[in-house]
Amino acid sequence: AQTVTQSQPEMSVQEAETVTLSCTYDTSESDYYLFWYKQPPSRQMILVIRQEAYKQQNATENRFSVNFQKAAKSFSLKISDSQLGDAAMYFCAYRSYNFNKFYFGSGTKLNVKP
Amino acid sequence: EAQVTQNPRYLITVTGKKLTVTCSQNMNHEYMSWYRQDPGLGLRQIYYSMNVEVTDKGDVPEGYKVSRKEKRNFPLILESPSPNQTSLYFCASSLFPTAGVRTDTQYFGPGTRLTVL
Repeated sequence: AQTVTQSQPEMSVQEAETVTLSCTYDTSESDYYLFWYKQPPSRQMILVIRQEAYKQQNATENRFSVNFQKAAKSFSLKISDSQLGDAAMYFCAYRSYNFNKFYFGSGTKLNVKP
Repeated sequence: EAQVTQNPRYLITVTGKKLTVTCSQNMNHEYMSWYRQDPGLGLRQIYYSMNVEVTDKGDVPEGYKVSRKEKRNFPLILESPSPNQTSLYFCASSLFPTAGVRTDTQYFGPGTRLTVL
């Protein structure tokens, strides 16, 4: 089974600064999808960004971007110009291309200081 | 409004008393899935369904059952709940992905907080 590892249980960033959340995964598949989800205190799961493994170009969504290193099996999330509303739990997730199974990391709690 | 609904949102029950958590989506999605979230473990997939009458096990299926008799509904059944099933449960749905098209975004329900005494 695939595993997803988030080694930073908690991080803090100053408002307007940049922060990078780390994620590594283990797989023998060549095609798959990677995601970052945000979970604010309301517990609602919100998709932040998505990356297809066959694409070399890193995905970006406004202030959110990823650094996808396929050979290293690394998928980090960079948040630029951090805002108070970015404070949440962030989960990295892997979706198997063929079997439609999802695997989530244990999460990183991001605190944003004013 | 496109949404995934779950009921109940909160449930306290006792060991061994059968319960069902309902999940319904109004987006005509083929794919539906159940997850449980526990502190320090993230979300773990319990079961998923590719379409009506097609279900398969996720990572932690023991103690759970599901059914998919209609496309919009995907109930989670705990035949004999135990305290280790105390958790936050999420239902999610999506279309199937097609190459290069961002159709597989999962829409999550609001979650069901289950406590088994």
